Amino acid sequence: DVKVTQSSRYLVKRTGEKVFLECVQDMDHENMFWYRQDPGLGLRLIYFSYDVKMKEKGDIPEGYSVSREKKERFSLILESASTNQTSMYLCATKLGVTRNSPLHFGNGTRLTVT
Amino acid sequence: ILNVEQSPQSLHVQEGDSTNFTCSFPSSNFYALHWYRWETAKSPEALFVMTLNGDEKKKGRISATLNTKEGYSYLYIKGSQPEDSATYLCASTSGTYKYIFGTGTRLKVLA
Repeated sequence: DVKVTQSSRYLVKRTGEKVFLECVQDMDHENMFWYRQDPGLGLRLIYFSYDVKMKEKGDIPEGYSVSREKKERFSLILESASTNQTSMYLCATKLGVTRNSPLHFGNGTRLTVT
Repeated sequence: ILNVEQSPQSLHVQEGDSTNFTCSFPSSNFYALHWYRWETAKSPEALFVMTLNGDEKKKGRISATLNTKEGYSYLYIKGSQPEDSATYLCASTSGTYKYIFGTGTRLKVLA
């Protein structure tokens, strides 16, 4: 089974802090994704990466950046955290580019920015 | 941007009841439709990936159908059990990377 590990389950940060959310996978999947989940909204894509050092903006990239220096690790960076970035963040991976390949999710990081 | 809608938003059923949910998505540029089960404090787990019009998939007591021409998918649970309590998400995509998720159906199965 694919294991997708997010470094923290709960995180509390102050406004203006630089925040790093880490995601590590153990199955050599090429593709990695960062989503956020807010009440009343579906999961929204922040960034994705299809290879080492490659990244693409999702639907809501503003205020975020990402880093993929190694295939197994995908980091989400909040350069200067704001209260509207309080949310549940989910990392996901996907094998290859086939239509039948599902997403594999981590457990999520619930971030609170005060 | 695709718009994916799920109904109902939530429902409570008795143990042993059968139930079904709907996922509606734009039928143009369809590529794949995913169903996930998300239990509290766990990670979303893939149930089905469906790609062909008329697809029917089954996993134990859970099954799903797909109509890409009219843009809907049904998820059925036969003989609901308390362990089926979860949020069920569907996601549609027109390509490899960008999935549009619905807001989910929250199911509570009462013992």
